[in-house]
Amino acid sequence: EVQLVESGGGLVQPGGSLRLSCVASGLTLSLYEMNWVRQAPGKGLEWVSYISSDGSGIYYADSVRGRFTISRDDAKNSLYLQANSLRVEDTAIYYCATNARLDFWGRGTLVTVSS
Amino acid sequence: EIVLTQSPGTLSLSPGDRVTLSCRASHTIGNTYLAWYQQKPGQAPRLLIYGASTRATGIPDRFTGSGSGTDFSLTISSLEPEDFAVYYCQQYYNSPRTFGQGTNVEI
Repeated sequence: EVQLVESGGGLVQPGGSLRLSCVASGLTLSLYEMNWVRQAPGKGLEWVSYISSDGSGIYYADSVRGRFTISRDDAKNSLYLQANSLRVEDTAIYYCATNARLDFWGRGTLVTVSS
Repeated sequence: EIVLTQSPGTLSLSPGDRVTLSCRASHTIGNTYLAWYQQKPGQAPRLLIYGASTRATGIPDRFTGSGSGTDFSLTISSLEPEDFAVYYCQQYYNSPRTFGQGTNVEI
């Protein structure tokens, strides 16, 4: 069974940092493109970032470019999102998802940015 | 950036109804790189349709995707109680990948 499990969320003050992780089981992460998608409370879905299967292609939403960094460690079957200079508007559930068409999703991890 | 506009915003329907949801793109989406997702409260989204018309694994055939270019639709032929949810379209043709704002299908 394919599982993606996100972790690393929590309460952080504006300007702070968090490192989100997504650990995969039931699949070999190195074969997959990966994404981070977020959802603010009561709002719709927002794509955040993408990394290609070999790590050579990386894209970001304008809202996070320069502040967030996506990376992967295929030896650990893991995906990461380093989120710096966090803003109140970054408060959301952060999901990891496989492939361009987002066919497998984790359950998400909640990031709350508040003073 | 490709902007996706979904309509209507909310639909109030009954089990057994047929429904068609619309997703219009601000620019042509090449190679029909358009997907539909279903999201229920407290759950992660689930992929229903990719490539505009291909059902994902395990998706019932009452869900049908169609369209090309800038106009796409998702049809549910006969609503089951478990189909009441929010539906999103998304383009993965280029970056930034974008979602529509969602259509809430409620009882």
